Amino acid sequence: ETGVTQTPRHLVMGMTNKKSLKCEQHLGHNAMYWYKQSAKKPLELMFVYNFKEQTENNSVPSRFSPECPNSSHLFLHLHTLQPEDSALYLCASSQFGGPYEQYFGPGTRLTVT
Amino acid sequence: GENVEQHPSTLSVQEGDSAVIKCTYSDSASNYFPWYKQELGKRPQLIIDIRSNVGEKKDQRIAVTLNKTAKHFSLHITETQPEDSAVYFCAASISGNNRLAFGKGNQVVVIP
Repeated sequence: ETGVTQTPRHLVMGMTNKKSLKCEQHLGHNAMYWYKQSAKKPLELMFVYNFKEQTENNSVPSRFSPECPNSSHLFLHLHTLQPEDSALYLCASSQFGGPYEQYFGPGTRLTVT
Repeated sequence: GENVEQHPSTLSVQEGDSAVIKCTYSDSASNYFPWYKQELGKRPQLIIDIRSNVGEKKDQRIAVTLNKTAKHFSLHITETQPEDSAVYFCAASISGNNRLAFGKGNQVVVIP
């Protein structure tokens, strides 16, 4: 499955580091999303971009900074994270935004030490 | 806000038997209900979805039924196979915004 790709697949970072997660979709979609998946919890929506414009910010702390240079690429810039930010970060895309037919990438497993 | 609950949290079935997972939601204006399958270490995969103007949808061995009055929808897997073992997430659209509310997931184990 190569429709939505994410790099890196695994990342270990200290609380003072700065790193970035990358997502790329090859489906011709116009909307992209960042989700956080923690054990025993429902998926949490973080950000939504529709036609490169941010349309949703689900009260995410400023230590997470998204960037969407075009409809195919999405980044999540990380700085001064906390250990509780350790989780699987999933990128998704859909044709027109909204809740319909979202396709996920494989995720980045982030560990904050 | 929308509250999505899944039952049971874990389901074990013998290979060849059927599995049913039920999801309840609270927002009567929800109009889109997808099911995702996530195998260990892999991405959530959209396997079937249903809109509120339809009561049932089927795709080979999987089907989804929707009861809008009772505000629940169910995933049915027939003739289960070991590769059906995974965590299944249901979700419901949240009226008034473009979000999905997800359930916590059901672990389905198919016993060979």
